[in-house]
Amino acid sequence: AQKVTQAQTEISVVEKEDVTLDCVYETRDTTYYLFWYKQPPSGELVFLIRRNSFDEQNEISGRYSWNFQKSTSSFNFTITASQVVDSAVYFCALSGASGTYKYIFGTGTRLKVLA
Amino acid sequence: ETGVTQSPTHLIKTRGQQVTLRCSSQSGHNTVSWYQQALGQGPQFIFQYYREEENGRGNFPPRFSGLQFPNYSSELNVNALELDDSALYLCASSFASGREWGGELFFGEGSRLTVL
Repeated sequence: AQKVTQAQTEISVVEKEDVTLDCVYETRDTTYYLFWYKQPPSGELVFLIRRNSFDEQNEISGRYSWNFQKSTSSFNFTITASQVVDSAVYFCALSGASGTYKYIFGTGTRLKVLA
Repeated sequence: ETGVTQSPTHLIKTRGQQVTLRCSSQSGHNTVSWYQQALGQGPQFIFQYYREEENGRGNFPPRFSGLQFPNYSSELNVNALELDDSALYLCASSFASGREWGGELFFGEGSRLTVL
């Protein structure tokens, strides 16, 4: 069975601090995809990044960076120099090669960035 | 914005009633998925429509049904509403070639359903 665990329910940081959101996944598929989405209060899930299981290269996009480690089944997300606008719920998700867009989401991490 | 629009944004129903939620996909997308997000939880996959046919379903009972139209818009219907159906219902669209399914989903802002 597939599963995504986001153990951090809520994190509060002061603006300009760095913060890492953890994501651990379980799957028996050899081909799978990992995602991070941001959910602001409006409710819409905003796509941040996609990684396939064959690409373990870490990625940096501005203040965002992602660390994918197959050996520990983790796909962690770091925000550098956090800003108040980063406050949202962040979801990690897993999709297998099932012939559908069935994503397995974690329970999310609520990030509060205080001014 | 993703170009995925949903209606209505909010609605209140009573137990036992039926509800229809609507979704307009992003232009060029041929696949629509529906997710249920209970308060404080991650979204859960209800089902997916590809080329107007259901081609994947999560652990939801048959009273959850849907349609996809030739213009790739979609409806989610829920019959015999229960209190636990209260949630945010998210529609997501994407383009699928039929061979590779790992692309990102583009979500709408959701329809918040309250069942009393």
